[in-house]
Amino acid sequence: DTAVSQTPKYLVTQMGNDKSIKCEQNLGHDTMYWYKQDSKKFLKIMFSYNNKELIINETVPNRFSPKSPDKAHLNLHINSLELGDSAVYFCASSQDRVNTQYFGPGTRLTVL
Amino acid sequence: GIQVEQSPPDLILQEGANSTLRCNFSDSVNNLQWFHQNPWGQLINLFYIPSGTKQNGRLSATTVATERYSLLYISSSQTTDSGVYFCAVVPSGYSTLTFGKGTMLLVSP
Repeated sequence: DTAVSQTPKYLVTQMGNDKSIKCEQNLGHDTMYWYKQDSKKFLKIMFSYNNKELIINETVPNRFSPKSPDKAHLNLHINSLELGDSAVYFCASSQDRVNTQYFGPGTRLTVL
Repeated sequence: GIQVEQSPPDLILQEGANSTLRCNFSDSVNNLQWFHQNPWGQLINLFYIPSGTKQNGRLSATTVATERYSLLYISSSQTTDSGVYFCAVVPSGYSTLTFGKGTMLLVSP
């Protein structure tokens, strides 16, 4: 009964490939997020969705495309992977925009 | 954008010691959360505390919103408390968390 789950946990791939990371929450929340944690452990917002609609898109390359098929899922697709995309990607959800955000376990992406 | 500054950046403690971690932020906030990132990388919610004081076992937190700071107290520290502690805020009028750079805590036996 994991609240926010992500798959896969680890992803190792070659430069230039396309990959997806899936996120699901079973908390009934309306808002979901993607955050990126770099090698210095700095966490930064990438995207925010509310009721399946994109509400925040920080300065992220358009190679990154989030997709929300329903309120419980927010997937992240990355095209033409680059070395600099190597990081840990966290999905999170919250009931609304100001309440507690709950984080998934993270996906460690390594681009070779 | 809002600035979130955490201090100290690093902290080494003997098991059993107490500590106080500080988070300063530069603007008014709707949400403030404290997280513990354990050595396995998992982000664990500690407190949702935009104002006031909360306690959970050996941990407690206080946010003084009018003075734009929050404190996390760890008492009788244990080796399992090791990891990085993050403060994160949602600025008023916004909806996403802005994180501080964290405090790396090492508790030695």
